[in-house]
Amino acid sequence: AQTVTQSQPEMSVQEAETVTLSCTYDTSESDYYLFWYKQPPSRQMILVIRQEAYKQQNATENRFSVNFQKAAKSFSLKISDSQLGDAAMYFCAYRSSNTGNQFYFGTGTSLTVIP
Amino acid sequence: KAGVTQTPRYLIKTRGQQVTLSCSPISGHRSVSWYQQTPGQGLQFLFEYFSETQRNKGNFPGRFSGRQFSNSRSEMNVSTLELGDSALYLCASSSSGEYGYTFGSGTRLTVV
Repeated sequence: AQTVTQSQPEMSVQEAETVTLSCTYDTSESDYYLFWYKQPPSRQMILVIRQEAYKQQNATENRFSVNFQKAAKSFSLKISDSQLGDAAMYFCAYRSSNTGNQFYFGTGTSLTVIP
Repeated sequence: KAGVTQTPRYLIKTRGQQVTLSCSPISGHRSVSWYQQTPGQGLQFLFEYFSETQRNKGNFPGRFSGRQFSNSRSEMNVSTLELGDSALYLCASSSSGEYGYTFGSGTRLTVV
């Protein structure tokens, strides 16, 4: 089974600054999808950004961008101009292209934004 | 467009009882997946249903079961509840998993 590792249980960032959350994964597949989800205290998981493994270009969504290093099996999330509303748990997730919609999640990183 | 709706939001049950949780996916989404979230184990995949058929199943005992109806609504059932079943149960729907899930707000189950 694929494993997803988030080595930073907690991170903090000053408002308006930039922070990078790390994620690594283990797979023998060449075609897959990677995601970052945000879970605020309201509990609802919200999709932040997605990346297709066959695309070399890093995905970006407004203030959120990823650094996808396929050979290193690394998928980090960069949040620019951090806002108080960015405070949440962030989960990295892997989806194979072969096994339906089973996602493998990391253990999460709790992000605190300091005013 | 309505989101994924899970009911109830909170539930308290006694050991040994059974419970049924409900999930209504986004209209048009045929895939519904269930996850158990606990502080110790994180997010663990329970099962996925697609067009009323279980397509994938995680590593959970047979006490955990589910089904999907023709309108894509899904239920999951846990029988003979144990204290360790206390968790947030999340339902997620998708049209195509390549674009990610849309999650519901979850059902917080407490077993006492």
